[in-house]
Amino acid sequence: EPEVTQTPSHQVTQMGQEVILRCVPISNHLYFYWYRQILGQKVEFLVSFYNNEISEKSEIFDDQFSVERPDGSNFTLKIRSTKLEDSAMYFCASTEGGPENSPLHFGNGTRLTVT
Amino acid sequence: SQKIEQNSEALNIQEGKTATLTCNYTNYSPAYLQWYRQDPGRGPVFLLLIRENEKEKRKERLKVTFDTTLKQSLFHITASQPADSATYLCALGGYNNNDMRFGAGTRLTVKP
Repeated sequence: EPEVTQTPSHQVTQMGQEVILRCVPISNHLYFYWYRQILGQKVEFLVSFYNNEISEKSEIFDDQFSVERPDGSNFTLKIRSTKLEDSAMYFCASTEGGPENSPLHFGNGTRLTVT
Repeated sequence: SQKIEQNSEALNIQEGKTATLTCNYTNYSPAYLQWYRQDPGRGPVFLLLIRENEKEKRKERLKVTFDTTLKQSLFHITASQPADSATYLCALGGYNNNDMRFGAGTRLTVKP
């Protein structure tokens, strides 16, 4: 069964550094998402992306965050200047259609540790 | 503000019993609701989707109900097994938007 893949599985970075988290969604999917989960807390919506643009973003997704689909297969999340509180598991997901009709397929996440 | 509450952080039941998990929401009119399973260190895995005009959905040992008057969804696992032990998440969303939001989850433990 096709999968969403995320790399790296674990990223350690120093505060103030830029990080790029990478995702390869399922190939025929059209909607892409990033969620994050701080240890022991709930899965939080960051951003959704459709038709090469952001469709929704949460209050967490401020100017430090950006997303890109650079080449038709990858979907990336960039954090420009990491803070300690950015430490979390970041999940990428994709759907064939909008989530009112389609389940989200999640990757297994990138654990980001900011020191 | 919008709230999604799952009734308890943890639920322990005996193998073979039915597990019932609750998802309540306030200040929200969702068009649909989804249930996911999450194992430690893994991404959520989809289980069931139910829309606002549907009362009940079933899939094998799973059943979900959606009561828009009570603003509540119930998720049942019948004949529970130790392999059902995991955290179960409900998620809600509206029409024409793509920002599905999750509750905090209920950690289910099924004891043999």
